[in-house]
Amino acid sequence: DGGITQSPKYLFRKEGQNVTLSCEQNLNHDAMYWYRQDPGQGLRLIYYSQIVNDFQKGDIAEGYSVSREKKESFPLTVTSAQKNPTAFYLCASKLRTGGNMNTEAFFGQGTRLTVV
Amino acid sequence: AQTVTQSQPEMSVQEAETVTLSCTYDTSENNYYLFWYKQPPSRQMILVIRQEAYKQQNATENRFSVNFQKAAKSFSLKISDSQLGDTAMYFCAFMKLSYNQGGKLIFGQGTELSVKP
Repeated sequence: DGGITQSPKYLFRKEGQNVTLSCEQNLNHDAMYWYRQDPGQGLRLIYYSQIVNDFQKGDIAEGYSVSREKKESFPLTVTSAQKNPTAFYLCASKLRTGGNMNTEAFFGQGTRLTVV
Repeated sequence: AQTVTQSQPEMSVQEAETVTLSCTYDTSENNYYLFWYKQPPSRQMILVIRQEAYKQQNATENRFSVNFQKAAKSFSLKISDSQLGDTAMYFCAFMKLSYNQGGKLIFGQGTELSVKP
């Protein structure tokens, strides 16, 4: 089945540690995105990538890093520099080319990160 | 910069009744898309409906319809014949229509809808 998979579903991190969240898609989508969801704030864009080996900062990139070595994969690293990392993280992907039907973003099921 | 505002943090509706969720946005762009996404308790984001700004006709998808007022920058979602499965967080989102803008979505704060039996 085609889709977008995030792992793990729940992640616990000690303060000062880096952690990496996985996002894999088999939809052959060009563009991939990471969003952070906090209560009352909706979803905010962390990083996005339109093609392999290229990515851009979103609105809240500080304390995060990404890579895009393969079209299918877009892992997010939450570094120790992120002051408040406890949140729900959502990965999404979509086709890059134009056309009405290519505007839909498909989302993974999310990773809940908790700093302990 | 574009912004999206949902001013109703929580709403409730009786099963089989109709409810309208509000969304306003701010942009200087002329070509864009607007979306309503649903996030049920499973937290899986699901596209409910989309609207192209250049189309005057309001989009409909079965029980879901929108009232798109481009001049007023308003984009409300109407759910008819509400069902228990409609209970979810609903997000309004904006996307600039530009190949080089990366297809980024800008989300509102969300409205938590409860459908009561």
